[in-house]
Amino acid sequence: EPEVTQTPSHQVTQMGQEVILRCVPISNHLYFYWYRQILGQKVEFLVSFYNNEISEKSEIFDDQFSVERPDGSNFTLKIRSTKLEDSAMYFCASGVTGSMNTEAFFGQGTRLTVV
Amino acid sequence: AQTVTQSQPEMSVQEAETVTLSCTYDTSENNYYLFWYKQPPSRQMILVIRQEAYKQQNATENRFSVNFQKAAKSFSLKISDSQLGDTAMYFCAFMKHLGTGGGADGLTFGKGTHLIIQP
Repeated sequence: EPEVTQTPSHQVTQMGQEVILRCVPISNHLYFYWYRQILGQKVEFLVSFYNNEISEKSEIFDDQFSVERPDGSNFTLKIRSTKLEDSAMYFCASGVTGSMNTEAFFGQGTRLTVV
Repeated sequence: AQTVTQSQPEMSVQEAETVTLSCTYDTSENNYYLFWYKQPPSRQMILVIRQEAYKQQNATENRFSVNFQKAAKSFSLKISDSQLGDTAMYFCAFMKHLGTGGGADGLTFGKGTHLIIQP
């Protein structure tokens, strides 16, 4: 069964450093998403991406964040100058259609710890 | 903006019992989708069931069913014959329908209900 793959599963970084979280969406999917879940809190939408550009972003997704699809298969989330409060589980998701009429598949997440 | 409210932080039932998780939402949209996601201890997000707002019939997936009350903006999840493997966080989520114009919207999640199935 096809699945969304995220690497690494756990990333520890020093405050102020840049991190890149990687995702490989399902191959025939066209819409890509990043979500964040701070420990013990709800899942929050960060950004959606379609046709090589950001489709929608939340107020969380400020200039510290950027997304890229560098090679047609990977979908990355870059966090610059990390802060302690960036520590969270980051989920990538992909879908065939943007209306979510079909299932959005989530990856298993990357746990980011900023120390 | 949409909001999703799950008023039960935690619920506990015995195995084989039926349990209902509540969810209410607020939106000015008329066309939208509602979802229940399960997050087991592995932290993966697994879609349990979805409901299109324009459909009056409640969605059903095996032991999982919803009670969708559009006027009341209520979307509860019923789990029948609960099993130990149902122990997880359950998140209710909302997404507005974008029509045929394309684009991609994100899900708005509730805070979750921690469901514990006791043996």
